Amino acid sequence: AQSVSQHNHHVILSEAASLELGCNYSYGGTVNLFWYVQYPGQHLQLLLKYFSGDPLVKGIKGFEAEFIKSKFSFNLRKPSVQWSDTAEYFCAVNSAGGYNKLIFGAGTRLAVHP
Amino acid sequence: NAGVMQNPRHLVRRRGQEARLRCSPMKGHSHVYWYRQLPEEGLKFMVYLQKENIIDESGMPKERFSAEFPKEGPSILRIQQVVRGDSAAYFCASSPGDRGTGGYTFGSGTRLTVV
Repeated sequence: AQSVSQHNHHVILSEAASLELGCNYSYGGTVNLFWYVQYPGQHLQLLLKYFSGDPLVKGIKGFEAEFIKSKFSFNLRKPSVQWSDTAEYFCAVNSAGGYNKLIFGAGTRLAVHP
Repeated sequence: NAGVMQNPRHLVRRRGQEARLRCSPMKGHSHVYWYRQLPEEGLKFMVYLQKENIIDESGMPKERFSAEFPKEGPSILRIQQVVRGDSAAYFCASSPGDRGTGGYTFGSGTRLTVV
């Protein structure tokens, strides 16, 4: 069965620090990968997604993620975080060619201090 | 161009009552997905529906939970005889197609509290 593992449940950073959130998935076939962000009290918004091609994907708000197939990983990065990046971040996967059912990780809560 | 509309935003029910959660997909979207987010957990898939059809309900609890997406009107997630463990945020998402391109748009969710 598909599963997604996010290693860091809580991350605390100061503004301007660099961010990397880990995501590993378990699935034997070809997958599509996603990162969503949920700001406090709001709905999930798509940050970026990977389907195929360049494994380095750039998303909104300066975020990027790198798909490393050999490691089954899709880590999220940002060179310099801002206070407004305080949110919960979810990695998700679905089966490429399959329908849209997404499997989510447990999420990582990021707190950025000024 | 309204997004996915969920109502109510907050719902309080006493144990044993029924909860009805509504989801209107984006215009042009005919595929609806329901997810549940328990405290300190990620989103768990519950059910996937197209108009008048349940495609995948593998994430739905076997009892008390049901979902529909009628030809006219919003999708409804219904929880009968609610218990404290049903307290969670319920999110609906919609997409224009059924293939795995991730074209999800999420609603703002309904936060159900069972007292």
